[in-house]
Amino acid sequence: SQQGEEDPQALSIQEGENATMNCSYKTSINNLQWYRQNSGRGLVHLILIRSNEREKHSGRLRVTLDTSKKSSSLLITASRAADTASYFCATETGGFKTIFGAGTRLFVKA
Amino acid sequence: DAGVTQSPTHLIKTRGQQVTLRCSPKSGHDTVSWYQQALGQGPQFIFQYYEEEERQRGNFPDRFSGHQFPNYSSELNVNALLLGDSALYLCASSLNRYLYTFGSGTRLTVV
Repeated sequence: SQQGEEDPQALSIQEGENATMNCSYKTSINNLQWYRQNSGRGLVHLILIRSNEREKHSGRLRVTLDTSKKSSSLLITASRAADTASYFCATETGGFKTIFGAGTRLFVKA
Repeated sequence: DAGVTQSPTHLIKTRGQQVTLRCSPKSGHDTVSWYQQALGQGPQFIFQYYEEEERQRGNFPDRFSGHQFPNYSSELNVNALLLGDSALYLCASSLNRYLYTFGSGTRLTVV
């Protein structure tokens, strides 16, 4: 079973627009991470936010975490065609197991 | 600096056969995790190896086994292959618990 559930499952936007993806999870976490995957290849780590943090930025990425609602969001500003990929949230609940959601498929039209 | 290297990149096996997938971690990393990713799904944790021992295991049957060598490289073995084992198998390495570097994966097709 998967801990994280991303929403929406798929998102199609124009280049230059912002893209927002949401992730909900079920149990308490130590941290939450976001990854990108291009065309079924390996995952690339984007950003990690710890359970005591509320917001984190990295370039055009902004991640928020609301532990009371057990949810996180990933915002990509000024999207580019190269941002087309699947985006996954992943959680660590303790132990050494990172649990991934089913992902949001983002398509950015040039 | 090479990242995580997985071999082979693609593999076709017949139901009932056995398969071995290989992973070389990123230089300086000592921990290797394996994931199975079915088409259109997120990666599912199989197990993690550290100091040549299986440190944690996900909900996978005993047909899935692994090994870590003294140079930190790792193998994933799957016995008695089923059609449902067809997936992308991803290896990830890390030095600490949270920041994983993933390989490009091995695409396994069971026919």
